[in-house]
Amino acid sequence: DQQVKQNSPSLSVQEGRISILNCDYTNSMFDYFLWYKKYPAEGPTFLISISSIKDKNEDGRFTVFLNKSAKHLSLHIVPSQPGDSAVYFCAASAGPGNAGNMLTFGGGTRLMVKP
Amino acid sequence: DVKVTQSSRYLVKRTGEKVFLECVQDMDHENMFWYRQDPGLGLRLIYFSYDVKMKEKGDIPEGYSVSREKKERFSLILESASTNQTSMYLCASSFQGGSAFFGQGTRLTVV
Repeated sequence: DQQVKQNSPSLSVQEGRISILNCDYTNSMFDYFLWYKKYPAEGPTFLISISSIKDKNEDGRFTVFLNKSAKHLSLHIVPSQPGDSAVYFCAASAGPGNAGNMLTFGGGTRLMVKP
Repeated sequence: DVKVTQSSRYLVKRTGEKVFLECVQDMDHENMFWYRQDPGLGLRLIYFSYDVKMKEKGDIPEGYSVSREKKERFSLILESASTNQTSMYLCASSFQGGSAFFGQGTRLTVV
């Protein structure tokens, strides 16, 4: 049973518009959430993270929102650019110690930004 | 810049062969990980190591073993490769409580 789910396998957005990628989780012990971006034939690269003590974290064009009560987070990219076209993975970790170092990943969402 | 290097980008092996995937990181990270990526399933953790000679099973350890004799090196071993182990394998490393940095991946095909 997947503890982190990305229900949209793909998303297509026009250049300049907002991209919203969603992620849901079931484990209430998760307290740290990350987004990774992956291009074909490359490893994932870290994009942005958020701790459960916050509900929003912003870094340039990227903003992550966390709704703990709904166990939902989202990544907003504004404005979207063709270079943002990639697979985006949501990930979560739980608690202190070794459990806090193990990331559980969602299935990924393929974002396509059209010029 | 953190560098995580996987020894091969592409590998083709025969069913039943013993396969070694090597990973080296240059940032003195305590933690190292092996994941496999399959379409629709995301990245699934195979094994995790938080120190030299220490290892913990991830979500899908069956058919795999690992070795961490030195801090910078983490090896994934397929004792007897099978076709259902055809996948993209990703190594990662991190500091305690930090985000993980990934290698470029090894696409393994078992025929």
